[in-house]
Amino acid sequence: SAVISQKPSRDICQRGTSLTIQCQVDSQVTMMFWYRQQPGQSLTLIATANQGSEATYESGFVIDKFPISRPNLTFSTLTVSNMSPEDSSIYLCSVEGRAGREQYFGPGTRLTVT
Amino acid sequence: TQLLEQSPQFLSIQEGENLTVYCNSSSVFSSLQWYRQEPGEGPVLLVTVVTGGEVKKLKRLTFQFGDARKDSSLHITAAQPGDTGLYLCAGENFGNEKLTFGTGTRLTIIP
Repeated sequence: SAVISQKPSRDICQRGTSLTIQCQVDSQVTMMFWYRQQPGQSLTLIATANQGSEATYESGFVIDKFPISRPNLTFSTLTVSNMSPEDSSIYLCSVEGRAGREQYFGPGTRLTVT
Repeated sequence: TQLLEQSPQFLSIQEGENLTVYCNSSSVFSSLQWYRQEPGEGPVLLVTVVTGGEVKKLKRLTFQFGDARKDSSLHITAAQPGDTGLYLCAGENFGNEKLTFGTGTRLTIIP
């Protein structure tokens, strides 16, 4: 399984600002995923990020609000732009496993917007 | 939109009891995975089931994939406090690597 780290682990931000979350993997992977987990709820996929191409966003999520970079096969960033309290969530990155079915997750970034 | 409904949503039982968590959908999935998530951590994969009717055992945990590949169950025997956590099923969609996560079951085992 891959080892995934995220930075920051948590942050408290003011309304209207932006936060960039970093995701680092210890091995090269083709696909990386970004999820949002609102308090007490399940995971919702934000977008899929392949190296060298534009991220693919799920319904309800747009690039202007959640720009994603994927500069190489071990790293990705997700920016939460112009934040509002409704953006308070845990943001998780994941990568696909070798079998191509399962996913391995980072520890998450807990974001609170005041 | 594919939905995976889990039941129960919350479950609190005494140590040593048995329990079953259900994951149901009207959609067919390529595979079904179960994850456990503890506070402050990301979900951790427990098992992947691929074939309709498949049963897999992981120590005291038994996972079953429905014959029609639309549903799954997780049975825990003699629950222990270490089993406490959020259990999530996730269906793998055909044709891509995306997962649809279930609504989650928050399990608490009381010592």
